[in-house]
Amino acid sequence: IAGITQAPTSQILAAGRRMTLRCTQDMRHNAMYWYRQDLGLGLRLIHYSNTAGTTGKGEVPDGYSVSRANTDDFPLTLASAVPSQTSVYFCASSEHGTTAGTETQYFGPGTRLLVL
Amino acid sequence: DQQVKQNSPSLSVQEGRISILNCDYTNSMFDYFLWYKKYPAEGPTFLISISSIKDKNEDGRFTVFLNKSAKHLSLHIVPSQPGDSAVYFCAARVRSGNKLVFGAGTILRVKS
Repeated sequence: IAGITQAPTSQILAAGRRMTLRCTQDMRHNAMYWYRQDLGLGLRLIHYSNTAGTTGKGEVPDGYSVSRANTDDFPLTLASAVPSQTSVYFCASSEHGTTAGTETQYFGPGTRLLVL
Repeated sequence: DQQVKQNSPSLSVQEGRISILNCDYTNSMFDYFLWYKKYPAEGPTFLISISSIKDKNEDGRFTVFLNKSAKHLSLHIVPSQPGDSAVYFCAARVRSGNKLVFGAGTILRVKS
C-alpha cells in the first residue's frame, strides 16, 4: 500500500440500504477527512478526524457517520442511503499541525456511488 | 454561502501560452491557500501553496499570486502544456486549523 486507498472503486446502491466506504492510509498521518464532490460545488467536507479516537462534523455531515479506531483507517457509513447521496467520495489525510505546510492533504482515488 | 469562489467554470488556452486561473475568497481568517489539480477518475493532487504572509510563490512553471487586500489569488501556468488539462481547485485554510474550504473548480483545457 502506498498513500491512500479507497474501496470500493464504485458502487450502485438501492435507496434505504446501508453502505460503508473504506479508506486506509499508510503515511501515519494524524488527520483524515471525507469529502464529497458534486458538479458545481467542488469538494465539501463531510466528517474529519484530527487523531485516532476523535471525529468531527464538516460542512455536510447529515446522513453520514465515521469512526477512527486506529491511525490508518477511517470508514464512512451511510446508514440508510438516499438518492441525494449519489456523488464521488474522496478520503484524504494530512500530518495536521498548526504550522503552515502540515495541512497539505493527500487524496485517495475516490469512490463513485450511485443511489437509486 | 461559498467562502471560496472560482467564478470561471472552464478555461481554454493554446499550448505554450499562459494559463491564469482565478480564485476569490471572503473569509479574512484564511491564512493559507492551496491549489489542487484533478484528472478524471483520480483524486486531487497537491500542486502549490502560499502563506498569507507572502504575495507570490513559484515552483517551476507554476506561480501563485496572492492579493490580500482584494481577497484574490491566481495560479499562473507558463508555458501551458496539454498535460496540464485538468480540473483545478483552489482551497483555503482557516487560521491555525487544518480543515480546508474548496472552490468549485475550473476546468482547464490546453489545446495543442
